[in-house]
Amino acid sequence: DQQVKQNSPSLSVQEGRISILNCDYTNSMFDYFLWYKKYPAEGPTFLISISSIKDKNEDGRFTVFLNKSAKHLSLHIVPSQPGDSAVYFCAATHNAGNMLTFGGGTRLMVKP
Amino acid sequence: DSGVTQTPKHLITATGQRVTLRCSPRSGDLSVYWYQQSLDQGLQFLIQYYNGEERAKGNILERFSAQQFPDLHSELNLSSLELGDSALYFCASSVALVHYNEQFFGPGTRLTVL
Repeated sequence: DQQVKQNSPSLSVQEGRISILNCDYTNSMFDYFLWYKKYPAEGPTFLISISSIKDKNEDGRFTVFLNKSAKHLSLHIVPSQPGDSAVYFCAATHNAGNMLTFGGGTRLMVKP
Repeated sequence: DSGVTQTPKHLITATGQRVTLRCSPRSGDLSVYWYQQSLDQGLQFLIQYYNGEERAKGNILERFSAQQFPDLHSELNLSSLELGDSALYFCASSVALVHYNEQFFGPGTRLTVL
């Protein structure tokens, strides 16, 4: 039972354009969501997060949107850069247990 | 560099053996988490410790155990290893128990069971 899903295993985008990565969840108890970025041979690196009391959080080129009614969140990267090429994981947690539940990841390739 | 260290980086062993993976959290972090990343299961939570005490368990097999020591480093023990235990094992740490603290991940230990 996958509680967090990233339905696109890969995404290819041209440098300078917008990258949109999507994530869906099923557990209504989740109230805090995070995006992690992972390069090969490294551990996941925290990128940005959002609490369920918000619908948007922005940090530089990265913006996360949360649609609670649809149980959907998305990560927007504008403009995309070749260094953004990595695997992006969506994760969720709730106050009944602060372990992270991860989606399967989306491999982003930004072409120069 | 997240500040979380894991040793060894790679481990190759045989079925039926026992191994120990080690994790040192970031300075000041009291909470340690273990995650397993396998090809077919993605990143899955195994177990969490906070200040030496077990706080939460995920899909951790009975053959696996962990502990957190007084100096806050943690060890994950995997015994009676099977081929399917081959995976990347990540340790993460956070400051406290509150769920809105981000977790910082180590570089992982790649375990290969032959």
